[in-house]
Amino acid sequence: KAGVTQTPRYLIKTRGQQVTLSCSPISGHRSVSWYQQTPGQGLQFLFEYFSETQRNKGNFPGRFSGRQFSNSRSEMNVSTLELGDSALYLCASSWAQGTVTGELFFGEGSRLTVL
Amino acid sequence: AQSVSQHNHHVILSEAASLELGCNYSYGGTVNLFWYVQYPGQHLQLLLKYFSGDPLVKGIKGFEAEFIKSKFSFNLRKPSVQWSDTAEYFCAVRWGAQKLVFGQGTRLTINP
Repeated sequence: KAGVTQTPRYLIKTRGQQVTLSCSPISGHRSVSWYQQTPGQGLQFLFEYFSETQRNKGNFPGRFSGRQFSNSRSEMNVSTLELGDSALYLCASSWAQGTVTGELFFGEGSRLTVL
Repeated sequence: AQSVSQHNHHVILSEAASLELGCNYSYGGTVNLFWYVQYPGQHLQLLLKYFSGDPLVKGIKGFEAEFIKSKFSFNLRKPSVQWSDTAEYFCAVRWGAQKLVFGQGTRLTINP
């Protein structure tokens, strides 16, 4: 079974630009979560999608947004990039049924550098 | 607010030493508990999980964890570590249908 696939793996942007990151979950997984990982802050939750609906949201500014498509693939977008947005962005998928969600399976991440 | 605390930021041990990494969470209720590991240059992988039942959970690579509800704790243990256990370890907790909250992580260095 293929794992969680994230693209692109690496990208460099400048301040003020925007970026879109993509995530393909494990086949059959309907829940997708996004995290920001930095050395100082650890893993910070961005949002979680289930069946194209945002189910949970973290404490990030509105510049961070996401969506999920009918095939469970997900994208996240960051607009007006700031230097502090440089991080590893992790996507994770899981099975979910009702209010029960299983363990997360992580992708390798998209490493964003903002100059 | 929901939070997860890992007591040790960096632990250094010699091979064959015993390991215990602490994890506490902010309050009770129905929780699902996880330990993840991130080996150098690799993605996060699940070590073990607790959903219900026996509070002593066994995971991969000889790791185990004990859920102590009264202490809001889920400590990770391994009786004898190996050099290959060098990695960063993350405790994570989910309350009901809420988001999965991670601790800050513990960097484990095993000296051969």
